[in-house]
Formats: sequence, structure tokens, C-alpha cells
Amino acid sequence: NAGVTQTPKFQVLKTGQSMTLQCAQDMNHEYMSWYRQDPGMGLRLIHYSVGAGITDQGEVPNGYNVSRSTTEDFPLRLLSAAPSQTSVYFCASSTQGYSNQPQHFGDGTRLSIL
Amino acid sequence: RKEVEQDPGPFNVPEGATVAFNCTYSNSASQSFFWYRQDCRKEPKLLMSVYSSGNEDGRFTAQLNRASQYISLLIRDSKLSDSATYLCVVNVDTGFQKLVFGTGTRLLVSP
Repeated sequence: NAGVTQTPKFQVLKTGQSMTLQCAQDMNHEYMSWYRQDPGMGLRLIHYSVGAGITDQGEVPNGYNVSRSTTEDFPLRLLSAAPSQTSVYFCASSTQGYSNQPQHFGDGTRLSIL
Repeated sequence: RKEVEQDPGPFNVPEGATVAFNCTYSNSASQSFFWYRQDCRKEPKLLMSVYSSGNEDGRFTAQLNRASQYISLLIRDSKLSDSATYLCVVNVDTGFQKLVFGTGTRLLVSP
């Protein structure tokens, strides 16, 4: 069972570079979201999507773009990488419905910006 | 004040011990509550949802006190495999899951 798949698992970038973190799920989940996890901060929501063609900002959206052209895929783009974006990024998905559905997380992408 | 607060620990306990974690949340309109478990350098995984009446899943018991805005997790008969970070998570939205994560409480179970 693939579940939520994130690529790459590790990445090192230079300041100013751009890149896309990939996220795909095979569970036909409507809801997908991106979080970042930093020491002492807990996971914070960057962007989320409630279905194909619909995205919205979370708590910390600046410097990131997303799109949702299909139900399966939800890529996260860093437009111009900054050292403050060094973090572990998790993609998650959940079924449509009320607020008590569990989130399924990918393995994470560890990103370092030099 | 953080929206979800937890004691970071670590809690060091011997195998077989009972340990309890607490969590407080600030948004009184919060809709649903969870405990997630996160192993070192791994993704969070749902441990259990927390219901108003309290709920149990094997050795794990979760309690919710809406009046005090307080959530707890009790682990009985601790196992070495319970060593992990336990994340208190609150959903502050009625529709889409706008989850707010605590920073986690680290548990170390020793032989």
C-alpha cells in the first residue's frame, strides 16, 4: 500500500534556487495539505486543498505555492529558497467529511537551504 | 500563548510503568481532538481520537475536559516500543481539518 508518497526524501538547495516537493496519494482522498516541522514549533500548516482545483493558505504560506490539478497530486513549490525554509516538510491527506477524520502523512522531505 | 501546549519532557519511565501526558488548548471553539505518535525522524501517525466521554484503546486512555480545555493521555504497562514523541492535536475548524499541533511530549521507556 503506497498511501502518501513524497519525493525527494532529502534535498539541499542554495539560497535563491527554486524547487518543487512532490506529493501523491492513492487513496482517493479529497483533502490534502502541506506542513512544515521545525524544532520547538510543532507542525505548522502551509497550504491545503479540499479538492482538485481548490487550494487555500494555511498558517505559514509565504514563500510557497501549491496547485491541485488532480485528486492524486499536490506539489509544493518554493519560489526562491531562503535559509528560513530549512525544515522537514510533510504532506498529508484525509477523506472528505467532518473534522474527525485521521490524517495520513507521507515520510517527509528534509530540506536544507544554504 | 501557544494554541496547544504540552510539556516537552522527556518522561523517563521503566517498562511496566504508567505514565500520563497532559495538553491544554486555547481555542474554546475547537471541534475535535487527537493524539498522534511520532517516532524519531518519522512521520506522525494517528494514535487515537479523543472523545468527550473519554475513550480507551488497549493500554491507552484519552480524556477530554472541555470546560478546562484540557486533554490527557494515559499509557499503562509501558513497553519499550512506546518510546516516541506524543503529539496533542486539535482541529479548530468545523469542516476542513485545520489541525493545530502541539510541540510534543517525548517518552523514553527503559528496560
